[in-house]
Amino acid sequence: NAGVTQTPKFQVLKTGQSMTLQCAQDMNHNSMYWYRQDPGMGLRLIYYSASEGTTDKGEVPNGYNVSRLNKREFSLRLESAAPSQTSVYFCASSVDSPYEQYFGPGTRLTVT
Amino acid sequence: DAKTTQPPSMDCAEGRAANLPCNHSTISGNEYVYWYRQIHSQGPQYIIHGLKNNETNEMASLIITEDRKSSTLILPHATLRDTAVYYCIVRVVGGGADGLTFGKGTHLIIQP
Repeated sequence: NAGVTQTPKFQVLKTGQSMTLQCAQDMNHNSMYWYRQDPGMGLRLIYYSASEGTTDKGEVPNGYNVSRLNKREFSLRLESAAPSQTSVYFCASSVDSPYEQYFGPGTRLTVT
Repeated sequence: DAKTTQPPSMDCAEGRAANLPCNHSTISGNEYVYWYRQIHSQGPQYIIHGLKNNETNEMASLIITEDRKSSTLILPHATLRDTAVYYCIVRVVGGGADGLTFGKGTHLIIQP
C-alpha cells in the first residue's frame, strides 16, 4: 500500500515552460487535493476534487489547471510557468470530507 | 472556517509531555478542531481531531475547553522524532470536500 505518490520529486523549469505534476492514491479515496507551500509558510489549497469527474478552485488557483483522470489520479498542470510558482507542491487524498487527509511526499519545483 | 492562533515555537525535553496550545475563540458549533504535523520537508501528517469531547489515540491526546474557544494537543512522551511544525486547524464538517486552511503553526523542538 503506497498511499499517495507524486512524480516527479524535483523539477526545474524555465519561465514560460509547461509541465504536469502527477499524483496517484491507492486507498480508494473519493477526494483529492493539490496544495502549494512557499518557504516558511503553511500550505495553501490550489484545487480539489470531491469525487471522480468534479474539480473546484481553492484559495490560489490562478496559473494552474487540474484533471481528475479517474478515482486514483489527480494531475496539476502549469501551462506557462512563472518564477512566482516556485514552491513545494503537495497532493493529498481523503475518504471524503471531513475525514483526515493523507499527503504525498511533495514535488519541489523551481522556475527560473 | 474559524481562525486559529498558535505560538510560533516551543521547546520540550525528550521524555516529557509536550503541550501545544491553540486558540480558536471564534469557533462555531459545527466546526471541528484538527491537528496535523509536518516533519521537515515531508508532507503533513494527520494526528487527531475532535468536536467538543477530549480525544485520545495512539499518537496524542486532544483536550478541548468546555467553551471550545481553545484546545491543547498533548504528546505524552516526546521523542526527538516529534520535532516538527504542528498545525491546529478548525473547519466545518460536511458540505463538500474543501481543503484545509493551514496557518504557520508551532515549531516544536524536542531537546535531548
